[in-house]
Amino acid sequence: AQTVTQSQPEMSVQEAETVTLSCTYDTSESDYYLFWYKQPPSRQMILVIRQEAYKQQNATENRFSVNFQKAAKSFSLKISDSQLGDAAMYFCAYRTQLQGAQKLVFGQGTRLTINP
Amino acid sequence: KAGVTQTPRYLIKTRGQQVTLSCSPISGHRSVSWYQQTPGQGLQFLFEYFSETQRNKGNFPGRFSGRQFSNSRSEMNVSTLELGDSALYLCASSLALASGNTIYFGEGSWLTVV
Repeated sequence: AQTVTQSQPEMSVQEAETVTLSCTYDTSESDYYLFWYKQPPSRQMILVIRQEAYKQQNATENRFSVNFQKAAKSFSLKISDSQLGDAAMYFCAYRTQLQGAQKLVFGQGTRLTINP
Repeated sequence: KAGVTQTPRYLIKTRGQQVTLSCSPISGHRSVSWYQQTPGQGLQFLFEYFSETQRNKGNFPGRFSGRQFSNSRSEMNVSTLELGDSALYLCASSLALASGNTIYFGEGSWLTVV
């Protein structure tokens, strides 16, 4: 079974600075998807960024980028120029590439605080 | 385009009662999945449906059940409620079964069991 581990329960950063959230995972599969979801106080899970395991290039979405190390099974999220609106719980998630599988395996989450 | 809609948003039930939660996926989405979120266990997968068929089920007791209707709307039911069932229940939908499809979440249903 796949597992996802986020070792940082809480992180804080000054507004406009850069912060990196860590995530490691365990799987025996060679093809899969990895995601970072953001959960603000409204509790709606919002997709931040996704990475296909077969792609060597790290995904980037505006101020959000990942460092995907497949051999090390590591998938960290970097947030540049942090903004107050980035404050939320961040979850790393794994999804198998098997056809039809919609199940996401989540890490325990990292609470990110942005200091003005 | 409306997002994933869950009803009710908040509810309080008594131990031993049963509860039904509803989820309307994004228009055109045929795949629906459910998750339970608690402070202690985090986010755990409950089950997923496609075309009215349950395709996968998480490690939850039989008190947890679900179904999907022909219009893709889904319901989940919890019978004989226990205090530990207090949680945020999140519904998610995606377009089809292709594993590359993005999964979109609703805002959840907060269940408190007293």
